[in-house]
Amino acid sequence: QVQLQESGPGLVKPSQTLSLTCTVSGGSISSGGYYWTWIRQHPGKGLEWIGYIYYSGSTYYNPSVKSRITISVDTSKNQFSLKLNSVTAADTAVYYCARAVDYGDYEDYWGQGTLVTVSS
Amino acid sequence: DIQMTQSPSSLSASVGDRVTITCRASQSISRYLNWYQQTPGRAPKLLIYTASNLQSGVPSRFSGSGSGTDFTLTISSLQPEDFATYYCQQSYNTPRTFGQGTKVEMK
Repeated sequence: QVQLQESGPGLVKPSQTLSLTCTVSGGSISSGGYYWTWIRQHPGKGLEWIGYIYYSGSTYYNPSVKSRITISVDTSKNQFSLKLNSVTAADTAVYYCARAVDYGDYEDYWGQGTLVTVSS
Repeated sequence: DIQMTQSPSSLSASVGDRVTITCRASQSISRYLNWYQQTPGRAPKLLIYTASNLQSGVPSRFSGSGSGTDFTLTISSLQPEDFATYYCQQSYNTPRTFGQGTKVEMK
């Protein structure tokens, strides 16, 4: 059973960098055919796809955050990470990591989500 | 970006009811449409992928149909655990986009 777990600070100051890590267990992040995804949900709102990464390092980002985002992968630790810089209150959200199957067609396993609040 | 529009935004139903939720894409997405269920405080759960394929472990009362721009999620007989918010998602291209959600509430 694949499990994903987000970790990182729950509070980030405005203009600083939000950094989250997703640790994958029960399966190898280097398995072909999967993209490793970040999705966020603003409080009381819908879902926003942020971007994903293949184990080789290929990435796809949402243009809405493309200038501020980096998603990276560490296959040795079976982890992938999200960095979002120059954050504002609008980046306050629950951040989910997930596994996207069939080269990114749909997310079948999700982390529990972590709330990140941007506030001074 | 492909815009996904769900209707209705919310609905009230009773246990045993047949429930239908519609999702419309702003352009043709073939059958690259997925459905997720989310309960409060929980991560979304995959129900249906590529329009009509039931994810393993999901009860057969859930079904999906459609292609092109118009898609439907049907719950044949609503159960207490089905009161939740449902989202459609297109995976035709990036960025992936979701509908705004449909909240199914108890009547």
